[in-house]
Amino acid sequence: KNEVEQSPQNLTAQEGEFITINCSYSVGISALHWLQQHPGGGIVSLFMLSSGKKKHGRLIATINIQEKHSSLHITASHPRDSAVYICAVVSYNTDKLIFGTGTRLQVFP
Amino acid sequence: EPEVTQTPSHQVTQMGQEVILRCVPISNHLYFYWYRQILGQKVEFLVSFYNNEISEKSEIFDDQFSVERPDGSNFTLKIRSTKLEDSAMYFCASQQGRQETQYFGPGTRLLVL
Repeated sequence: KNEVEQSPQNLTAQEGEFITINCSYSVGISALHWLQQHPGGGIVSLFMLSSGKKKHGRLIATINIQEKHSSLHITASHPRDSAVYICAVVSYNTDKLIFGTGTRLQVFP
Repeated sequence: EPEVTQTPSHQVTQMGQEVILRCVPISNHLYFYWYRQILGQKVEFLVSFYNNEISEKSEIFDDQFSVERPDGSNFTLKIRSTKLEDSAMYFCASQQGRQETQYFGPGTRLLVL
């Protein structure tokens, strides 16, 4: 069983739609990261969360530690948001990231 | 803005050959990592490095792998005798302090023939 599960695996949206990607994890964590992987392979960190909610532009990330769940929301989606979005957790007493399998998002004009 | 760099961007090698993947982390960062991503699969942790020594390694990181920070700026991953299954994208990441954001390099795509 994967320690980090994401849903959906694939997501298609029309430009302007509100997007939600979910992440559930089964281990105790000290932090959770949302990452974006572009088609060329590069990985960019979007958020690091240990509680509550963070917002950056059109992106919002929330985490519920008790329920071991996090969501990434994209408001007013745009074709340039098309990428793979990856949830990764840092378990207690370690600094390594444990990755989910990613959610492939395609936003069409 | 400072960034993590990796060289080469692509490498093709024959099975059994040694390869060295190079990374230059962000200059004031103290924690360094190697990850790999086999095509179509999720990213996997290989090794973390702090204070000039390995702090954690995964089961993947066997005796064929080694890491070094030879000169205070470069951080290298060596695979002594490559196997077909080592073909993957290898990412370096660095972090200024514990529990802070990790910054990823652009990756090295390794193909073992």
